[in-house]
Amino acid sequence: DGGITQSPKYLFRKEGQNVTLSCEQNLNHDAMYWYRQDPGQGLRLIYYSQIVNDFQKGDIAEGYSVSREKKESFPLTVTSAQKNPTAFYLCASSVVGSGRYNEQFFGPGTRLTVL
Amino acid sequence: QKEVEQNSGPLSVPEGAIASLNCTYSDRGSQSFFWYRQYSGKSPELIMSIYSNGDKEDGRFTAQLNKASQYVSLLIRDSQPSDSATYLCAVNMGGGSNYKLTFGKGTLLTVNP
Repeated sequence: DGGITQSPKYLFRKEGQNVTLSCEQNLNHDAMYWYRQDPGQGLRLIYYSQIVNDFQKGDIAEGYSVSREKKESFPLTVTSAQKNPTAFYLCASSVVGSGRYNEQFFGPGTRLTVL
Repeated sequence: QKEVEQNSGPLSVPEGAIASLNCTYSDRGSQSFFWYRQYSGKSPELIMSIYSNGDKEDGRFTAQLNKASQYVSLLIRDSQPSDSATYLCAVNMGGGSNYKLTFGKGTLLTVNP
């Protein structure tokens, strides 16, 4: 089955720890995205990547880092510099440059809680 | 600042009725528009995409776009309890090689049996 997987489903972080959230897709999509969702809020873009070895900051990149070494993988690290990391993290992917451009498809999400 | 606005709701309709969800956006150059459905605790699911003015129908769902008024809506006919969810409007603002989407905060829809 083609799709987007995220792991873990739930993650608990202690103060001062860095944690890495995994996102993998087998849809052969060029672009991948990371969003954060807080209760009662829409999605806010953290980072995005349209091609391997290149990525751009979104609206709320401070305290986060990413890498894009492979087309199918886009891991997100939540660093200790992120002061309020408790949220639902969503990874998405899309085709770039086709007629149905910008259609983004989401993984199941990772719920991060700071202890 | 580029924005997407939705009524937060909750919107409550009886089973079998038409649910109407609305969205406005600030950037007149916006190119593509999407509606996502998000059940509680789950990730968003794409249900409709629309790129040109007018109506687009898919089953019980109809998306309507009016670029002059910077307005996009989603109609759900014959609403079912299983349609109860938060509906997110998303807009690609700026177009071209900019593939980012801006999301509204969502409208919570409740369909009562």
